[in-house]
Amino acid sequence: GQNIDQPTEMTATEGAIVQINCTYQTSGFNGLFWYQQHAGEAPTFLSYNVLDGLEEKGRFSSFLSRSKGYSYLLLKELQMKDSASYLCAVRDRWDDKIIFGKGTRLHILP
Amino acid sequence: EPEVTQTPSHQVTQMGQEVILRCVPISNHLYFYWYRQILGQKVEFLVSFYNNEISEKSEIFDDQFSVERPDGSNFTLKIRSTKLEDSAMYFCASSEDSASGANVLTFGAGSRLTVL
Repeated sequence: GQNIDQPTEMTATEGAIVQINCTYQTSGFNGLFWYQQHAGEAPTFLSYNVLDGLEEKGRFSSFLSRSKGYSYLLLKELQMKDSASYLCAVRDRWDDKIIFGKGTRLHILP
Repeated sequence: EPEVTQTPSHQVTQMGQEVILRCVPISNHLYFYWYRQILGQKVEFLVSFYNNEISEKSEIFDDQFSVERPDGSNFTLKIRSTKLEDSAMYFCASSEDSASGANVLTFGAGSRLTVL
């Protein structure tokens, strides 16, 4: 089976940096995804990691350590529009499907 | 930018009625999925579909659920006899190629199902 843990809620200030952590346990591993979901909307893809290390894409970066079953999403220069839920999701080696964690609701304060 | 389209955006039905949710995946995508999200809860996998057959399904996807690709463009989810607990947002998703590794899912806007 799979288990994905991430904090339920976080608060940060506009212009600041925030790191959202995710830990996972899977029987096999074939990639970790971060998705953004605004309230009442569909998840949208942010990043993908399959090898250890940091992937940078504009203001967003994602890090993976497979040996620790750990990832984080780093958001820089926070903007009000970044207020959303951030979903950590894992693909098992043997499956097509992607399993999502419960998501971290990020509140941005002016 | 290509998108996944879903209809209806919102459906209200009586308990015990049949519901069909429709999706048009991105045209060159080969893998199709249904997920659901009960209000305030996580996005849950229901079923994946490839090469005109179910490739995986979750425990949620019981005999009351079925999927079909009736033509070259549509992908449908049918709930045979709806229950109150089926009330949720249902997301269709598609991906280009599972074997590529990245297998990025593109989600539709969702169909909100309310069972009374």
